Amino acid sequence: GAVVSQHPSWVICKSGTSVKIECRSLDFQATTMFWYRQFPKQSLMLMATSNEGSKATYEQGVEKDKFLINHASLTLSTLTVTSAHPEDSSFYICSAARQGTEAFFGQGTRLTVV
Amino acid sequence: GENVEQHPSTLSVQEGDSAVIKCTYSDSASNYFPWYKQELGKGPQLIIDIRSNVGEKKDQRIAVTLNKTAKHFSLHITETQPEDSAVYFCAASISGNQFYFGTGTSLTVIP
Repeated sequence: GAVVSQHPSWVICKSGTSVKIECRSLDFQATTMFWYRQFPKQSLMLMATSNEGSKATYEQGVEKDKFLINHASLTLSTLTVTSAHPEDSSFYICSAARQGTEAFFGQGTRLTVV
Repeated sequence: GENVEQHPSTLSVQEGDSAVIKCTYSDSASNYFPWYKQELGKGPQLIIDIRSNVGEKKDQRIAVTLNKTAKHFSLHITETQPEDSAVYFCAASISGNQFYFGTGTSLTVIP
């Protein structure tokens, strides 16, 4: 299957700082990328959908000013958690999809805010 | 929006037995149904998928069935092995766009 690389795999940051997570599709061009959040022992919750070159579409209840998403190219999307707080600690997962086909997931980023 | 329900939340089977996980969805426009396996600390990995124009699909020990009328689909794992132990998620999607996930099933295969 296609390869989606997510970086970093884990990050610890101080409360109030911002953290950027990258999601890259390594061997295909992703028309759409998705960002999910997963709490321990829970399912993946879709946060936002982004298409290359356009603004991301956020799911209800997700603060767009806190979770900044940029999809600058067909192979790269970034999620920036701004002014992070301990309640933002979670497992963040991206996925990338070619038009109308299955999505492939990155390995996830474990964010811990202290 | 789409609502995907998944049962059971936990499942324990003896090695060699079969495991069945069931999901229902609410949006009749959904036409793509993948299943993912997630191991601890890792991202989900696609294990099998089915599209709405197919009723059943099989890949070695794994099979998926889809009933469009009833809006439910199931994952069947036969001859389970300890390495099958993981969390399994179903998902529903419209043409590979947003994916809505079930709540997950923690499968434990007892040697």
